[in-house]
Amino acid sequence: QVQLVQSGADVKKPGASVKLSCQASGFTFSDFAIQWVRQAPGQPLEWMGWINAVNGDTKYSQKFQGRVTLTRDTSASTAYMEVTGLRSEDTAVYYCARPRMRGIWFGDFSVWGQGTLVTVSS
Amino acid sequence: DIQMTQSPSSLSASVGDRVTITCRASQRISSYLNWYQQKPGKAPELVIYAASSLQSGVPSRFSGSGSGTDFTLTISSLQPEDFATYYCQQSYTTPYTFGQGTKLEIK
Repeated sequence: QVQLVQSGADVKKPGASVKLSCQASGFTFSDFAIQWVRQAPGQPLEWMGWINAVNGDTKYSQKFQGRVTLTRDTSASTAYMEVTGLRSEDTAVYYCARPRMRGIWFGDFSVWGQGTLVTVSS
Repeated sequence: DIQMTQSPSSLSASVGDRVTITCRASQRISSYLNWYQQKPGKAPELVIYAASSLQSGVPSRFSGSGSGTDFTLTISSLQPEDFATYYCQQSYTTPYTFGQGTKLEIK
C-alpha cells in the first residue's frame, strides 16, 4: 500500500545535527515533491520545506533556510532531512508527507509518515 | 507569510451534534484551503482539500466551504471517532501555513 516510513526517534545535544529518513513505497517516488512538517509538543503543525524527488529541487521555509537540508536517493525511494545547530526549541515530531497529486504545485498532503520524535536536550 | 486563524480553539460537543469550525486567512487564497484531522500521537489525516472536496475514504458527514479568506469545516452529525484536533492549512503559496488547531472534545 501507499506509505511513507520514517526513521526512529533520536536524542541529540544542543548544537548537534540530525538526519532523518523517509522511505516511500506503493507509489512512484520520483513523481512527487516530498514535504517535511514538524510539530513541537502541544503546538500546531509547521511546514519546513519540500524536495522534488524527480530532480532534487528544493524549497525551504525562510525560517529554516540555512539550517535544514533536504536530499533524496531515488534508487532507494528515500527522502532525507538534515537539521543542523539543534536547539531545545527543535524538540518536535518531524513528519514527511506526500501531496495528493503529482508535481510540485500541490500542497495538500494525503500521505504522511508516522513521524520521528527528535529530542534536543543536554 | 499568510496567517491562518481558526476559531474556536476548543469546542465541546456531543455525539450527534452538528459542529462548525472556521478558518480565516490573512490574505485571499482562492480555494487553496485544506483541513486535517489529528488524533493524539498520530499523524494528521487529510479530510477536505481545495476548500470543499472530500478526501477519498472520508465520511460524507464532513463538508467544507468557503473561498477567498473565510472557510468552514462542518461535521453534520458527530461520531465518537470524530473527536480530535482539526487544522486548516493554506496551500496557495509557500511557506504553507497551518492554523493553530481546534480541539473537538466530548461534552
